[in-house]
Amino acid sequence: DVKVTQSSRYLVKRTGEKVFLECVQDMDHENMFWYRQDPGLGLRLIYFSYDVKMKEKGDIPEGYSVSREKKERFSLILESASTNQTSMYLCASTPAGAGLAALYEQYFGPGTRLTVT
Amino acid sequence: GNSVTQMEGPVTLSEEAFLTINCTYTATGYPSLFWYVQYPGEGLQLLLKATKADDKGSNKGFEATYRKETTSFHLEKGSVQVSDSAVYFCALRGGSEKLVFGKGTKLTVNP
Repeated sequence: DVKVTQSSRYLVKRTGEKVFLECVQDMDHENMFWYRQDPGLGLRLIYFSYDVKMKEKGDIPEGYSVSREKKERFSLILESASTNQTSMYLCASTPAGAGLAALYEQYFGPGTRLTVT
Repeated sequence: GNSVTQMEGPVTLSEEAFLTINCTYTATGYPSLFWYVQYPGEGLQLLLKATKADDKGSNKGFEATYRKETTSFHLEKGSVQVSDSAVYFCALRGGSEKLVFGKGTKLTVNP
């Protein structure tokens, strides 16, 4: 079974703090993703990575950065947390598939509910 | 670009009622289509998928058929249970590595 784990289920941080959200997958997937989920807005892609040390901006990268030093681990960093970053954060992974990419679903972690006060 | 539009909720049904959640898409080429489910307090799980036109995905009593002529992938279940209460997301994946999601439909099933 594919397993995607996230370091925390619930996190409370103060405005201005630096926040690290960690995601680990155990299926040797090339691609990893970070989303945020907000009521009425669905899932929005923050960043994704298609290889170690490679990253691409998603739809809402402002205020976030990412790090991928090892294939199995993808970190989301909030450099200076703000209250508008209070949200549910979801990590996902999928195999790469050049030409077959469309066949593969994404596997999601359980999510981290972050509250910034 | 690619996009997904699904019916807005919330949807409230009684147990054993018939469920339809509409999903239409816009895409170039031949995307794969997915339905994901999110139970309260959890991440998303794949419910079913279809990778080419006229394919029917099915799982746990849910079905959806990939209709290229109407660009639709509606989710159906003949008899819902309280345990089906969740948020349902329609999604597509084209040639890129990214999924495009609809905004989600919250389903509540009452006993």
